[in-house]
Amino acid sequence: AQSVAQPEDQVNVAEGNPLTVKCTYSVSGNPYLFWYVQYPNRGLQFLLKYITGDNLVKGSYGFEAEFNKSQTSFHLKKPSALVSDSALYFCAVRALTASSGGYQKVTFGIGTKLQVIP
Amino acid sequence: NAGVTQTPKFQVLKTGQSMTLQCAQDMNHEYMSWYRQDPGMGLRLIHYSVGAGITDQGEVPNGYNVSRSTTEDFPLRLLSAAPSQTSVYFCASRPDRSINQPQHFGDGTRLSIL
Repeated sequence: AQSVAQPEDQVNVAEGNPLTVKCTYSVSGNPYLFWYVQYPNRGLQFLLKYITGDNLVKGSYGFEAEFNKSQTSFHLKKPSALVSDSALYFCAVRALTASSGGYQKVTFGIGTKLQVIP
Repeated sequence: NAGVTQTPKFQVLKTGQSMTLQCAQDMNHEYMSWYRQDPGMGLRLIHYSVGAGITDQGEVPNGYNVSRSTTEDFPLRLLSAAPSQTSVYFCASRPDRSINQPQHFGDGTRLSIL
């Protein structure tokens, strides 16, 4: 069974400081990893993904994520946080496994609330 | 493109009532899914569809039905509402079976069961 862990319920960071939101995963086979952001009363929005290749992936709004296969991690990072980055962040994993109709199940973490303090 | 549209945005039901949550997408996506979001539990898959006429159960399907008569629409039916179904419901779609495609989400339906 595949799983995703986001060990921090909330991350607080001062505006202008670098931020990291942690994610670790467990899958059989090669992982396909995603980060989504959710603003209040909105649906999840795609930020970035890791499929293969370069371990550092760049995405929307200046975010990037580093894939580390040996540590089974996919931490989300941003060099300089903005107050507008305050939101709920979800890590998700999908893997190539046998399933009905070819649907590859995606597993979401429970989310990490990012609070950027002015 | 409107993307994924969910209606209603808010709903209050009494225990035992039934209702249908609507979901429509205008991106010609094959795959559509319903999730519920509860505090501390992330998103859990209720039902999904890999194309018109094809649906299957996710991890928490009990008490819910779906159908997919067209590519665009994927309604979720609550048969007899229970307080445990109080949640925020999200519909999502993605283009096809390609494993590297992210999902597109609607803005959710906030449902309270009294």
